Amino acid sequence: AAGVIQSPRHLIKEKRETATLKCYPIPRHDTVYWYQQGPGQDPQFLISFYEKMQSDKGSIPDRFSAQQFSDYHSELNMSSLELGDSALYFCASRPRALMNTEAFFGQGTRLTVV
Amino acid sequence: KNEVEQSPQNLTAQEGEFITINCSYSVGISALHWLQQHPGGGIVSLFMLSSGKKKHGRLIATINIQEKHSSLHITASHPRDSAVYICAVPQGGSEKLVFGKGTKLTVNP
Repeated sequence: AAGVIQSPRHLIKEKRETATLKCYPIPRHDTVYWYQQGPGQDPQFLISFYEKMQSDKGSIPDRFSAQQFSDYHSELNMSSLELGDSALYFCASRPRALMNTEAFFGQGTRLTVV
Repeated sequence: KNEVEQSPQNLTAQEGEFITINCSYSVGISALHWLQQHPGGGIVSLFMLSSGKKKHGRLIATINIQEKHSSLHITASHPRDSAVYICAVPQGGSEKLVFGKGTKLTVNP
C-alpha cells in the first residue's frame, strides 16, 4: 500500500541557505501535518493544511512557510537557515472525513545545517 | 495544553520478556496514539484507540479514559522490537498531536 512519501530523506545546507522539503500524502488524504523533531527532543507541531488551506499553526518560525497544492502534496520552505534548524522534519496525513482514523507518518527528512 | 508523561524513559529487556510501557495525559481526549520510531527517524503508527483494548500481533494497547492512562504491551519481545515508543494525544480540541518524551526500548538476544 502507498505510504506517506517525503523527499529528500537527507539534506545538508549551510547557514543562511534555503531548503524545501516535500511531503506526498497517502492518496485521498486531504489533511497534512508537519512536525519538527530536534536531536533528543519530542516532535513539535509546526503547521497543518486541509484542502490547500492552512488549518492550524504551531511553533513555526517566520522564516518558514508552507503550502498545500491541488494534488494535496505539501512543501515546507525554510529560509535563512540556522544551526538550530537541524532536525528531523516529518509529515503525517489523514483523510479529514474520517477523523477517527489514525494519521500515517512519513519517514522524515533529516536536515543538517552546517 | 495536554501534558503527556511516559514511563519508563528507558527499558532494557531480554528476548522473550513481556514489556509494558505506560502513558498518562492531563486533559480528556477523543483518542490516543502509540507510535514507534526506529533509529533513523521514521515513525510508524501502531495504534489509535479511544477505549478498551486493541491487539495487533504481539502488541496490545489498552486505554482507561476515566483514569487518563494507556499502556502498550509487547509479548514475547524480540530484538527487532528495539525502538523508541511514543505516546501522542490531541492538543485541546485540535487535531495536532502532543507527544510524550518516548520510551527507548532495547531488547537483547
